Amino acid sequence: DAEITQSPRHKITETGRQVTLACHQTWNHNNMFWYRQDLGHGLRLIHYSYGVQDTNKGEVSDGYSVSRSNTEDLPLTLESAASSQTSVYFCASSDSGAGAEAFFGQGTRLTVV
Amino acid sequence: AQSVAQPEDQVNVAEGNPLTVKCTYSVSGNPYLFWYVQYPNRGLQFLLKYITGDNLVKGSYGFEAEFNKSQTSFHLKKPSALVSDSALYFCAVRDRGGNAGNNRKLIWGLGTSLAVNP
Repeated sequence: DAEITQSPRHKITETGRQVTLACHQTWNHNNMFWYRQDLGHGLRLIHYSYGVQDTNKGEVSDGYSVSRSNTEDLPLTLESAASSQTSVYFCASSDSGAGAEAFFGQGTRLTVV
Repeated sequence: AQSVAQPEDQVNVAEGNPLTVKCTYSVSGNPYLFWYVQYPNRGLQFLLKYITGDNLVKGSYGFEAEFNKSQTSFHLKKPSALVSDSALYFCAVRDRGGNAGNNRKLIWGLGTSLAVNP
């Protein structure tokens, strides 16, 4: 069965370190998204991609970057981790149709100490 | 500005009773409408969506939702709640119009925590 997987599931890192969260989908979806989920803020869009070599900033992109070198993967990099980036991160993918639903990974809980 | 409102942070209902989780939106035109559920320590799961046609949409786990264009609402309902329905529920909309880039992003509500009591 097709799926979307995130790794690691849990990560503790120190302030100032570079961290990369992996997202891999086997749906062959063109669209991929990274969100962070925090109490009181719901889901906030960090970056998104509509296809290979395409990346776009979301509403909370500062301090994060992504790259899309193939259809399956959209890694999220925290350039210099800050305590404010402690959060649960979700990757999602969807088909290109505007009515298509998104499929989510199981999440990565990141703690920056 | 486009927005989605879930006016209740928490909904409590007794098992066996009907439940409603409310969602209203402010998006131009006729958007696509979605409901997702999140169980503890899990990712979001798609429940149902409204694209076109019948205003009453049926989805997974016995849930349904009613699209009301005049009230710009898309409330989630279930005739008989189960304890296992206790979870966080998110409403989301996607603009049907706009340019090809913008119409693929979802606008999310902040979520409603549903507690079904035995």
